[in-house]
Amino acid sequence: AQSVTQPDIHITVSEGASLELRCNYSYGATPYLFWYVQSPGQGLQLLLKYFSGDTLVQGIKGFEAEFKRSQSSFNLRKPSVHWSDAAEYFCAVGAPGNQFYFGTGTSLTVIP
Amino acid sequence: KAGVTQTPRYLIKTRGQQVTLSCSPISGHRSVSWYQQTPGQGLQFLFEYFSETQRNKGNFPGRFSGRQFSNSRSEMNVSTLELGDSALYLCASSLQEFGGKTQYFGPGTRLLVL
Repeated sequence: AQSVTQPDIHITVSEGASLELRCNYSYGATPYLFWYVQSPGQGLQLLLKYFSGDTLVQGIKGFEAEFKRSQSSFNLRKPSVHWSDAAEYFCAVGAPGNQFYFGTGTSLTVIP
Repeated sequence: KAGVTQTPRYLIKTRGQQVTLSCSPISGHRSVSWYQQTPGQGLQFLFEYFSETQRNKGNFPGRFSGRQFSNSRSEMNVSTLELGDSALYLCASSLQEFGGKTQYFGPGTRLLVL
């Protein structure tokens, strides 16, 4: 069965520190992979996506993610976190003809 | 290009009533998907419409229904509201059918059932 796991429910980092949010998936084939961010009371904003090709993808707001097929992972990274990055982050997978599956989200708190 | 819009943004209803939510996709997008988001269940897929046809459906009771118009705008209806229907309802649009392309989300409609 298809599933997405975000093992970290909540992460706290200091402003300026590096960040890595984990995402593991279970899917029948190589899916399309996405990271979305949600601020309180808002919809989801696309950070980045992976369809094929280079396994390191760059997104908006200085985020990047690396697809590792052998580990079924698509971890999100940022070298230096800003206070405005505090939000909920969702990993999602999809494939043509199939629905999207979302992880349960990781809540990020940034300490000044 | 304008993003996905949802109306209304906030709604308060009482148990037993029905509600209709509206979603206007990004211009040119023909796929519209609906999700329910709650603190306990996270993001749950309701259904997807493409070219006025329901293409995928999640595991929700028949009280939840939807439709899509020829201009790709979509409506979602919930009949006989229950307290547990209180949630943020998100609409997403895409160029292609489900999974085929990136989904872009609207700001959501916050529904409170009293």
